[in-house]
Amino acid sequence: DVKVTQSSRYLVKRTGEKVFLECVQDMDHENMFWYRQDPGLGLRLIYFSYDVKMKEKGDIPEGYSVSREKKERFSLILESASTNQTSMYLCASSEAGNSYEQYFGPGTRLTVT
Amino acid sequence: SQQGEEDPQALSIQEGENATMNCSYKTSINNLQWYRQNSGRGLVHLILIRSNEREKHSGRLRVTLDTSKKSSSLLITASRAADTASYFCATAGGYQLTFGKGTKLSVIP
Repeated sequence: DVKVTQSSRYLVKRTGEKVFLECVQDMDHENMFWYRQDPGLGLRLIYFSYDVKMKEKGDIPEGYSVSREKKERFSLILESASTNQTSMYLCASSEAGNSYEQYFGPGTRLTVT
Repeated sequence: SQQGEEDPQALSIQEGENATMNCSYKTSINNLQWYRQNSGRGLVHLILIRSNEREKHSGRLRVTLDTSKKSSSLLITASRAADTASYFCATAGGYQLTFGKGTKLSVIP
């Protein structure tokens, strides 16, 4: 079974803090993705990576950066957290190539106060 | 964006009934996928239908795809209380998937 794990289920941070969200997958997948999910807006892609050290912007990259130093790990960084970044963050992975099914982690519910 | 749009937004049925959800999208796709999300959890992949397929089955799930109408439907037969969840369609045209906003299904025991 594919397993995608995320470092925290719930996280509370203060405005202006630097926040790291970690995602690890154990299926040797090339592709990894970060989404945020908000009521009424659905899932929106923040960044994705198709290889180590490679990254591509998604639909809403502003205010975020990512790091992929190892194949199994993909980190999402909020350089200076703001209240409008309060959301559910979902990590996913998939096989190499495009249009494959994605395997999701359990999500991190981040609250910025 | 080739975002899918699900219809209805919410659906409430009795256990044992069938549930049908629809998805419409705007541009050409490689495939269309359906996912389930239980409250507050990650998404789980249910089924993938390629652009050259018209119908696909998996257990109690039946998916249809009409590329001429740019629409898909997901049918869950003989629903169970455990099917209560949000269901999302996702269109695939490259590396990324584009998700709709989901249909919230409630199955009443």
